[in-house]
Amino acid sequence: ETGVTQSPTHLIKTRGQQVTLRCSSQSGHNTVSWYQQALGQGPQFIFQYYREEENGRGNFPPRFSGLQFPNYSSELNVNALELDDSALYLCASSSKTGTGNTIYFGEGSWLTVV
Amino acid sequence: TQLLEQSPQFLSIQEGENLTVYCNSSSVFSSLQWYRQEPGEGPVLLVTVVTGGEVKKLKRLTFQFGDARKDSSLHITAAQPGDTGLYLCAGDSGGSNYKLTFGKGTLLTVNP
Repeated sequence: ETGVTQSPTHLIKTRGQQVTLRCSSQSGHNTVSWYQQALGQGPQFIFQYYREEENGRGNFPPRFSGLQFPNYSSELNVNALELDDSALYLCASSSKTGTGNTIYFGEGSWLTVV
Repeated sequence: TQLLEQSPQFLSIQEGENLTVYCNSSSVFSSLQWYRQEPGEGPVLLVTVVTGGEVKKLKRLTFQFGDARKDSSLHITAAQPGDTGLYLCAGDSGGSNYKLTFGKGTLLTVNP
């Protein structure tokens, strides 16, 4: 148990639809990162939020967007879903940003786009 | 773009055998982490190595960070079926955010 909870755990969407994934960070953690893990691949960094501001973004198109709330929970939104968006979406939280941190992953949200 | 290459990609061994998994890059990392991931779950941190040449032990697992901080290895002694899982290495390039670059992982199966 890492204290990072994600919802929903599984969902199926149709191509072109929009999806919102949610993450509650570990208590006291103000930094949340999102990763996409396709089948057979390692996780890829989508973006990070620190104190409600985006603090770095990976190589993902603008239809991937996010939010962080005052309680440090976070949402990942994906618009105009494509088949290749099918993946495990992982949320990770840490107590601060910057190098040398320990980050804790949630169990992920499995998204299938059909 | 920083890349981490893990080898082997798949490894199937018998209980009691030893094994080594490698993680290599042409880039220097501020730190490198090893994770273990089981099906349907998120990665769980095993260890973080920070200093070039550093060796850390976690029971039967030995982790080494290369002198140049570009590569790392994970050695498991006397593997057990409970060691089965996907082993991921991830590098942190430093900076104001803590973006991890992951390898594709090594899928280890330990047969009883």
